[in-house]
Amino acid sequence: EVQLQESGPGLVKPSQSLSLTCSVTGYSITSNYWGWIRKFPGNKMEWMGYISYSGSTSYNPSLKSRISITRDTSKNQFFLQLNSVTTEDTATYYCARESRTMGMDYWGQGVMVTVSS
Amino acid sequence: DIQMTQSPASLSASLGETVSIECLASEGISNDLAWYQQKSGKSPQLLIYAASRLQDGVPSRFSGSGSGTRYSLKISGMQPEDEADYFCQQSYKYPLTFGSGTKLEIK
Repeated sequence: EVQLQESGPGLVKPSQSLSLTCSVTGYSITSNYWGWIRKFPGNKMEWMGYISYSGSTSYNPSLKSRISITRDTSKNQFFLQLNSVTTEDTATYYCARESRTMGMDYWGQGVMVTVSS
Repeated sequence: DIQMTQSPASLSASLGETVSIECLASEGISNDLAWYQQKSGKSPQLLIYAASRLQDGVPSRFSGSGSGTRYSLKISGMQPEDEADYFCQQSYKYPLTFGSGTKLEIK
């Protein structure tokens, strides 16, 4: 069974970097696409970006140059780094397996991140 | 970006009632649309992909339809476990975008 689990700090100070890990079991991240999605207070959902089976990446332009998604295939993990965070980055962050034609079929349980001093 | 306008924002239904939720895309998305259910405190679950294909394990009372810019999710016979938030999401163009969500409650 495919399982994803996010981990990382729940509190980040403004202007610092947010770093999260998604650990995948039951499926290799060298197949498919692996994305990060966040849900803001008030329920708005935002797709942040993905890393592909080959290691290529695609990011939401709204995040400009603040975002980086990388991976460690030996550990079957992929990572989110979001720089220069503000209180507007407070959200629940999810990782998911994504497909253009078949939706996001597996999700992690989510990690709530609060940006506050 | 493709804007997804979802309606209604909230909905109350009786057990056994049929309910519909709609998403209107700002441009044609060629059936590249998914629907998700999110129960309180849980992660989203894929219900429908490619506008009308039922994800494995999802009850057949859920169905999706639509084309072009208009898509809908139907629940035929509301059940207690269907109380949740529902989102649409387009995958026709990057960045992927979501509808604003519908909160479905039991009347």
